[in-house]
Amino acid sequence: DQQVKQNSPSLSVQEGRISILNCDYTNSMFDYFLWYKKYPAEGPTFLISISSIKDKNEDGRFTVFLNKSAKHLSLHIVPSQPGDSAVYFCAASGVGGSQGNLIFGKGTKLSVKP
Amino acid sequence: DVKVTQSSRYLVKRTGEKVFLECVQDMDHENMFWYRQDPGLGLRLIYFSYDVKMKEKGDIPEGYSVSREKKERFSLILESASTNQTSMYLCASSLGRSGYGEAFFGQGTRLTVV
Repeated sequence: DQQVKQNSPSLSVQEGRISILNCDYTNSMFDYFLWYKKYPAEGPTFLISISSIKDKNEDGRFTVFLNKSAKHLSLHIVPSQPGDSAVYFCAASGVGGSQGNLIFGKGTKLSVKP
Repeated sequence: DVKVTQSSRYLVKRTGEKVFLECVQDMDHENMFWYRQDPGLGLRLIYFSYDVKMKEKGDIPEGYSVSREKKERFSLILESASTNQTSMYLCASSLGRSGYGEAFFGQGTRLTVV
């Protein structure tokens, strides 16, 4: 059973507009959430994270929102750029004693069109 | 900067061969992980390790084993390679159980089993 879900396999956005990537989780023990970006034939690179004590974290063009009651988080990219085109993975950790263990969603492929 | 290095970018092996994938990290991280990435399935955890000589099964350990003799090195072993193990393999490391933090990934090994 998937504990971290990214229900949109793909998303297409025009350059300059906002990209919103969504992620849902089922395990209430998760208390730390991360977003990774992955280009083809490369390893994922860390983008931004949020602890469950916060509801928002911002870093430049990237903002992550956390809604604990809904077990939902989202990544906003504003403005979107063609270089943002990649697969984005949502990840969660904090299950029991395995705090270093990240559980990933299946990813959303973002295409930003010029 | 944290560096996670995987020994090969591309590998082609024959069915039935024993395959070793090596991973080294240079930041004295306690946690190390092996994931595989397949289209539509995201990143799935094979094995992880919290310390030298310690290992725990992830979600899909069947057909794999691991070795962690030194803190900086985590090896993934395919005991008898099969075509369904053709995949992108990703090694990662993170600081430790006591703290939160992102996992850093290697560049990946694209393994093809023929």
